[in-house]
Amino acid sequence: KQEVTQIPAALSVPEGENLVLNCSFTDSAIYNLQWFRQDPGKGLTSLLLIQSSQREQTSGRLNASLDKSSGRSTLYIAASQPGDSATYLCAVRSFGNEKLTFGTGTRLTIIP
Amino acid sequence: NAGVTQTPKFQVLKTGQSMTLQCAQDMNHEYMSWYRQDPGMGLRLIHYSVGAGITDQGEVPNGYNVSRSTTEDFPLRLLSAAPSQTSVYFCASSYRGVETQYFGPGTRLLVL
Repeated sequence: KQEVTQIPAALSVPEGENLVLNCSFTDSAIYNLQWFRQDPGKGLTSLLLIQSSQREQTSGRLNASLDKSSGRSTLYIAASQPGDSATYLCAVRSFGNEKLTFGTGTRLTIIP
Repeated sequence: NAGVTQTPKFQVLKTGQSMTLQCAQDMNHEYMSWYRQDPGMGLRLIHYSVGAGITDQGEVPNGYNVSRSTTEDFPLRLLSAAPSQTSVYFCASSYRGVETQYFGPGTRLLVL
């Protein structure tokens, strides 16, 4: 059974700093991994999707990496801004499985 | 495009009552799914559909029914609400099950 872990559960950093969010998964037989952002009381917004054959994806100040062999993904946020404050979730789709397995998220607070 | 829409945004039910949570998408996506989000447990898949007329169970299907008569709509029915169904419910869609998932804004359900 696939399990996805995100540590830490909460993180506070000063504005302008670069930061890394972590996601680990137990079964390396994945189809893809997706990072989402969730604002309080809102739905999930997809940030980046990494296919199993890819090592990383970039969108603006965001860069997500994937290391299947070690069961890890990281989301790098450059030059953080207060608007980046949100909960960040990673989700894994395993081969032969229609469902996404979600982590419980990291709540990020950027301090002005 | 409106994307994925959900109604209602908030609902209070008494134990034993029934209701339908509505979900619609205007992106001609084949794949639609329902998740529930509970504190400390991440998002869990309830039911999903790979196309009109086709539905299947997810991780936590008990107490919920779905149908998919059109590509656009995927309602979730609670036949006899229980306090354990108090949660936030999200509908999601994608062109195919393995592509980027688009989430609706959620329905917050309280069962007394």
